[in-house]
Amino acid sequence: AQKVTQAQTEISVVEKEDVTLDCVYETRDTTYYLFWYKQPPSGELVFLIRRNSFDEQNEISGRYSWNFQKSTSSFNFTITASQVVDSAVYFCALLPDNTNAGKSTFGDGTTLTVKP
Amino acid sequence: NAGVTQTPKFRVLKTGQSMTLLCAQDMNHEYMYWYRQDPGMGLRLIHYSVGEGTTAKGEVPDGYNVSRLKKQNFLLGLESAAPSQTSVYFCASSYWPRGNTGELFFGEGSRLTVL
Repeated sequence: AQKVTQAQTEISVVEKEDVTLDCVYETRDTTYYLFWYKQPPSGELVFLIRRNSFDEQNEISGRYSWNFQKSTSSFNFTITASQVVDSAVYFCALLPDNTNAGKSTFGDGTTLTVKP
Repeated sequence: NAGVTQTPKFRVLKTGQSMTLLCAQDMNHEYMYWYRQDPGMGLRLIHYSVGEGTTAKGEVPDGYNVSRLKKQNFLLGLESAAPSQTSVYFCASSYWPRGNTGELFFGEGSRLTVL
């Protein structure tokens, strides 16, 4: 069975602060994919990034960066110089690479509030 | 470029009433999913389909039925709505397993209230 834990229920920061969202996962599969999705106040769910279990190279995309550490089963997401538009619920998800019909398991989400 | 479209966006039902949520995708995806989102509980998989004519149960299937008569459409039905089914429902589709991508493309969500 798969499990994704986002221990931070809510985070509040002031604009321009850096913020890291934590994600810890459990799986018995040796090959899997990890994702981050964003849900802004408007309600839609938007894919942000995918990482394969065999690729531990961290990634930076503008103000966003992701730190994947297989040894600690973590896939953390950092926003540098946060902006009000970053306010959203962020979900971490796990997808095992087996015949499970592409079923992703989601964490409960972290609500990020960026205050001006 | 519609992507994934859900109808209706909002609905209020009385206990015991039935209704169907329609999901349509124009990306030729084989795999489609229905999730429900409740406060503090993330997204939970209700039912899914790996292709036209197939359906399977997810994590929380009780009280729901689904059908995938056409590849582009995935219907979620509530036969006898209960207050516990008050939630926001999201349909999603995926390129999985082709291309080893797996990210989900979501509809805008359907907010259902059962009184």
